[in-house]
Amino acid sequence: AQSVAQPEDQVNVAEGNPLTVKCTYSVSGNPYLFWYVQYPNRGLQFLLKYITGDNLVKGSYGFEAEFNKSQTSFHLKKPSALVSDSALYFCAVRDGLADMRFGAGTRLTVKP
Amino acid sequence: KAGVTQTPRYLIKTRGQQVTLSCSPISGHRSVSWYQQTPGQGLQFLFEYFSETQRNKGNFPGRFSGRQFSNSRSEMNVSTLELGDSALYLCASASPGQMNTEAFFGQGTRLTVV
Repeated sequence: AQSVAQPEDQVNVAEGNPLTVKCTYSVSGNPYLFWYVQYPNRGLQFLLKYITGDNLVKGSYGFEAEFNKSQTSFHLKKPSALVSDSALYFCAVRDGLADMRFGAGTRLTVKP
Repeated sequence: KAGVTQTPRYLIKTRGQQVTLSCSPISGHRSVSWYQQTPGQGLQFLFEYFSETQRNKGNFPGRFSGRQFSNSRSEMNVSTLELGDSALYLCASASPGQMNTEAFFGQGTRLTVV
């Protein structure tokens, strides 16, 4: 069965600095990987996905993610963080027609 | 295009009661999934319906059940509510038969069991 891990509960960065939110995955086949963001009292919003092809995926709001097959990782990155990026971030994986499984989430705090 | 709609947004129930939550997917989406979100357990998969059939099921007790109608709308039912069922319940819809497509989430139903 597929699974995903987000090793950090909390990530703190200063505004203007680069940010990284980590994600590792485990699947039996080819992975479909996703990043979502959740603001308080809201549902999850899609940021980006990796299906195949280029290992660097660009998404919404200036976010990007790097797929690394050998390290089974899919880390979310942004070159310059904004205070408004503060939110809860979820990594997810889908293996074929199986359901989408989510990590535990990482709370990102960007300080002015 | 209208997004995923969940009703009601907030609900307070008493232990032992039952509750039904509703989800209307994006038009044309035939896959509907349900998740339970709690601070301690994160986002837990409940079940997925596709064309009125349960396609996947998470590790939840039989008190949690669901169904999907011919118009793809879905309902989730929880019987004999327990305090631990207090959570945000999220519904997500996706395009039919496309494994690589992202899911679109509703704003959730906040269930409080007292």
